[in-house]
Amino acid sequence: QKEVEQDPGPLSVPEGAIVSLNCTYSNSAFQYFMWYRQYSRKGPELLMYTYSSGNKEDGRFTAQVDKSSKYISLFIRDSQPSDSATYLCAMNSGGYQKVTFGTGTKLQVIP
Amino acid sequence: DVKVTQSSRYLVKRTGEKVFLECVQDMDHENMFWYRQDPGLGLRLIYFSYDVKMKEKGDIPEGYSVSREKKERFSLILESASTNQTSMYLCASSLYLDGLTISNEQFFGPGTRLTVL
Repeated sequence: QKEVEQDPGPLSVPEGAIVSLNCTYSNSAFQYFMWYRQYSRKGPELLMYTYSSGNKEDGRFTAQVDKSSKYISLFIRDSQPSDSATYLCAMNSGGYQKVTFGTGTKLQVIP
Repeated sequence: DVKVTQSSRYLVKRTGEKVFLECVQDMDHENMFWYRQDPGLGLRLIYFSYDVKMKEKGDIPEGYSVSREKKERFSLILESASTNQTSMYLCASSLYLDGLTISNEQFFGPGTRLTVL
């Protein structure tokens, strides 16, 4: 079983839709949770970063962590064609520990 | 802006060739990483370095080596390229927080797509 599971998609939604992207994980030591966005032919870039459980909002993006269920989510409101990218969840337990990435979910927002 | 550059966007090599992938970052980050990215497998850590001349194996170091002679430069070496090393290679860097904790924000280069024939 992989430490981090993520549905690869692809996920196609119409412009303006609310998008929900999710990851599950098995390592209860994970405390830091990240979402990276990767456009085609580019490297990933950090989108959202949260520590422990709870919600964090940044504009149209909301990151949610439920440590009791080992489940994290990224919500995108009013999705735009420019949101079309692959979204990777990532997490670690802090300190010197390496970051473990999900396989990524490919999102396409159709105008 | 943090900038991580990789020497080539696309590279085609023959089986058995020695391959060098170069990565340079301009933000004085202590930590540098090499990943490979494959469909269905995601990002897998090959090697990382916490400081000049220091290196640590990641999850899949077999068939690879690294060199970090200067703080800004981290090289990945394929001693004898094989077809199963055909992949997208991504370099990343991050800094220390308070000198004790590595920042979880990694800054990535654009990647090198390597094809081994």
